[in-house]
Amino acid sequence: EAGVAQSPRYKIIEKRQSVAFWCNPISGHATLYWYQQILGQGPKLLIQFQNNGVVDDSQLPKDRFSAERLKGVDSTLKIQPAKLEDSAVYLCASSPATGTDSYNSPLHFGNGTRLTVT
Amino acid sequence: AQSVTQLGSHVSVSEGALVLLRCNYSSSVPPYLFWYVQYPNQGLQLLLKYTSAATLVKGINGFEAEFKKSETSFHLTKPSAHMSDAAEYFCAVAPSGGYQKVTFGTGTKLQVIP
Repeated sequence: EAGVAQSPRYKIIEKRQSVAFWCNPISGHATLYWYQQILGQGPKLLIQFQNNGVVDDSQLPKDRFSAERLKGVDSTLKIQPAKLEDSAVYLCASSPATGTDSYNSPLHFGNGTRLTVT
Repeated sequence: AQSVTQLGSHVSVSEGALVLLRCNYSSSVPPYLFWYVQYPNQGLQLLLKYTSAATLVKGINGFEAEFKKSETSFHLTKPSAHMSDAAEYFCAVAPSGGYQKVTFGTGTKLQVIP
């Protein structure tokens, strides 16, 4: 099966600019996650979707970050305006799980988008 | 609340030697526990998971981990290191049931010396 696709792989922007990342999960996977991985740290969940509904966005900085999964398939994560501390790898993951026991199923990760904010 | 602590951000072993990567967890409810591996410029890949069945879990590439409730540990081991095992390893915890998020540790970079 095709894996989780993310684009672009790399992006360099200046602070205060905007940027968008795209993710296409594995076909049929109901749950989609966006993680932020700052250098030297573990991934931090930004937002979790189940189909096109948001399950958890408690750690998403909503004043500058937004995400959508309009048709319950692919997803876009946007940052506007970007800050220096947003420099990180943004990982998308998907899972076939549905329901409240979703974390029993492993996450399938894409290769990520490396964002550098100067 | 839940968290994981990975002891040692960098571990070096000789090729053929035992690999031991340590993970301790904290969870207010029975946890699910995972080990993921990340190769350079790639996403994370599941190595193995504990979901309250057998306490000794076998994963891919010869890795295994043992859930020890009394020690709140889930250490990852492999009897004989291979050069291809050089990567970063992340321990993660999630509550069994519910929509609460998976929490990852800070990672351990494994170096294998020929």
